[in-house]
Amino acid sequence: DQQVKQNSPSLSVQEGRISILNCDYTNSMFDYFLWYKKYPAEGPTFLISISSIKDKNEDGRFTVFLNKSAKHLSLHIVPSQPGDSAVYFCAASVAGYALNFGKGTSLLVTP
Amino acid sequence: DGGITQSPKYLFRKEGQNVTLSCEQNLNHDAMYWYRQDPGQGLRLIYYSQIVNDFQKGDIAEGYSVSREKKESFPLTVTSAQKNPTAFYLCASTNSGNTEAFFGQGTRLTVV
Repeated sequence: DQQVKQNSPSLSVQEGRISILNCDYTNSMFDYFLWYKKYPAEGPTFLISISSIKDKNEDGRFTVFLNKSAKHLSLHIVPSQPGDSAVYFCAASVAGYALNFGKGTSLLVTP
Repeated sequence: DGGITQSPKYLFRKEGQNVTLSCEQNLNHDAMYWYRQDPGQGLRLIYYSQIVNDFQKGDIAEGYSVSREKKESFPLTVTSAQKNPTAFYLCASTNSGNTEAFFGQGTRLTVV
C-alpha cells in the first residue's frame, strides 16, 4: 500500500503565478518530509524538507507546509519559472530510515 | 567533490543473465539505498543498508541481491529471477538521523 500519495499526476501553471503541489500520507509515524525535483534520466535533487515539529519551512521561492492532523503537506513555488518544470516527488521517513516516495507530480510552467 | 557515482549509465542484459549495478559514495554516509523507478510508479525501495555488513529488504526486493562490504559501496545485483528488470535504478545515501538523501544519476537497465 502506498503510504505517500500524490494524487495529481500533472499540473500546469503560468510563469509568475503560484504552483501548489500536494501530498498526503497515511503513516502517522512519519516525522520527516522532503520534496525532490527530478528531470528525466537523472537522479532526484533535494529541494526542501520539514520536520514534524514544524508546520512551515521556507527557502527562497519554495515553501513547504505541513498539516499533521490532516496528514497533508504541500509545496508552494512563488513565483513559478519555466526552469521549475520537472517532476516533483514528495517523500517521508520515520526516524531517518528509508524514504517513502509518492508517485510524483509533473509540473509544467508555461511562459 | 563529494557525491554518489552510479555506473554504468546504460546497461543492456539478455534474459536469464545476472547483472550488477555499481554505486559508490564518498560522502562518508552511513546509510545507502537502492530504488527503482518505473513510469507512473514513483520510486520504490528495493534494499537499504544502515551500516556495513548489514542490509534489509525494501518493498520490492524479490529478484535482487545486495552486499555492503565497504561503507562507500553498495552494489545491486539484478538476478534472472527478477521478472521485469527493465527500469531506471537509483542509488542514494544519507547520514544517520533526519537528513536528506543524496542520489546518484541513475542506471537505465534494459533487458533485450
